[in-house]
Amino acid sequence: DADVTQTPRNRITKTGKRIMLECSQTKGHDRMYWYRQDPGLGLQLIYYSFDVKDINKGEISDGYSVSRQAQAKFSLSLESAIPNQTALYFCATSDRGSGNQPQHFGDGTRLSIL
Amino acid sequence: AQTVTQSQPEMSVQEAETVTLSCTYDTSESNYYLFWYKQPPSRQMILVIRQEAYKQQNATENRFSVNFQKAAKSFSLKISDSQLGDTAMYFCAFMNGGSNYKLTFGKGTLLTVNP
Repeated sequence: DADVTQTPRNRITKTGKRIMLECSQTKGHDRMYWYRQDPGLGLQLIYYSFDVKDINKGEISDGYSVSRQAQAKFSLSLESAIPNQTALYFCATSDRGSGNQPQHFGDGTRLSIL
Repeated sequence: AQTVTQSQPEMSVQEAETVTLSCTYDTSESNYYLFWYKQPPSRQMILVIRQEAYKQQNATENRFSVNFQKAAKSFSLKISDSQLGDTAMYFCAFMNGGSNYKLTFGKGTLLTVNP
């Protein structure tokens, strides 16, 4: 089984719908992240969480919200989806400690909003 | 804020040859870390190699090595003996060594290895 699991893998939905993307991890990491990838661009940070009670906005948090339900679970919500939120979404985790702890990514959720 | 620039949107190389992907970054920090990630068509994000800024020695991982030039703020990736499975998008990424540990990514270089 994957260490970082994202569900769903793909989703097509309509403008105005509420969407939740879920991420769970078995790595025991404290830190979790949500990124967005648009074609021809690198990944942009949406939100990050260093523990259950510590949630922070990233570069592009407008239109998104998150919930850290447990150490192992971090979900991303789009309250009212719009077409320009069509993108590939990644969840990542990293361990506590010195800064060179790499981030480990899930396989991504491809979200299409019509 | 930190920025990461990958000036080569696309590159190609023949199988078994060597290719170098460029990355430059801008930061005022002295403590930081640099990474190369690979994203094959399967869309996974896979860590290829990492470098601590305080280390002068260039990192190597099998066929992958970096040329880290701290003064020039340059961090290039060299792939030796290229294989078809190396075909992927490659992203350079910067991590501040301070308290936030956020990754800043470049826009990527699409590498195609031709048979």
